[in-house]
Amino acid sequence: DTEVTQTPKHLVMGMTNKKSLKCEQHMGHRAMYWYKQKAKKPPELMFVYSYEKLSINESVPSRFSPECPNSSLLNLHLHALQPEDSALYLCASSRGDREAYEQYFGPGTRLTVT
Amino acid sequence: LAKTTQPISMDSYEGQEVNITCSHNNIATNDYITWYQQFPSQGPRFIIQGYKTKVTNEVASLFIPADRKSSTLSLPRVSLSDTAVYYCLVGGKLIFGQGTELSVKP
Repeated sequence: DTEVTQTPKHLVMGMTNKKSLKCEQHMGHRAMYWYKQKAKKPPELMFVYSYEKLSINESVPSRFSPECPNSSLLNLHLHALQPEDSALYLCASSRGDREAYEQYFGPGTRLTVT
Repeated sequence: LAKTTQPISMDSYEGQEVNITCSHNNIATNDYITWYQQFPSQGPRFIIQGYKTKVTNEVASLFIPADRKSSTLSLPRVSLSDTAVYYCLVGGKLIFGQGTELSVKP
């Protein structure tokens, strides 16, 4: 199984809502990532988890809160988002957090903040 | 931190070979070069990775000159389904450059 799954596929939320994005992989990968991608732009790294510990936070606002409950799951908790946070949120995983390991990406969650 | 520069867009026709070059003048000694492909509204997909000289797999080849300041992704005999954005990444910071939008026409 070389698949990264993400739920939901689409999410519409108001600025006062609290929601969560979920990501799952069963490849035994020990590094997991969250990226944000705006239309016609490249993916931007948000967070990296290595062995279930947060190793990189690319100065992401606190309204985005990542969580790694176990080695197969990665969540992104959303609270008090702004319309400019609307984007495609991508999850990825790799064997380890070294660059030599290829990343496997999920299909993404299309988030719209109203 | 190695910054990458790629052409913004390229056009090709079915059956042609396409070469996309990425410049990375500040590449560090231990940096790898990795290419990803992305279709609209999908996550990027790994294509190929290399460190020096030439790497080939079932979908592409990667050519890296001795000075490693650039690299070229070669797609043999492209088809319409190769229309996508191609990203070159260098080093471990997982920073995607602007990418090259490849359009393959019939």
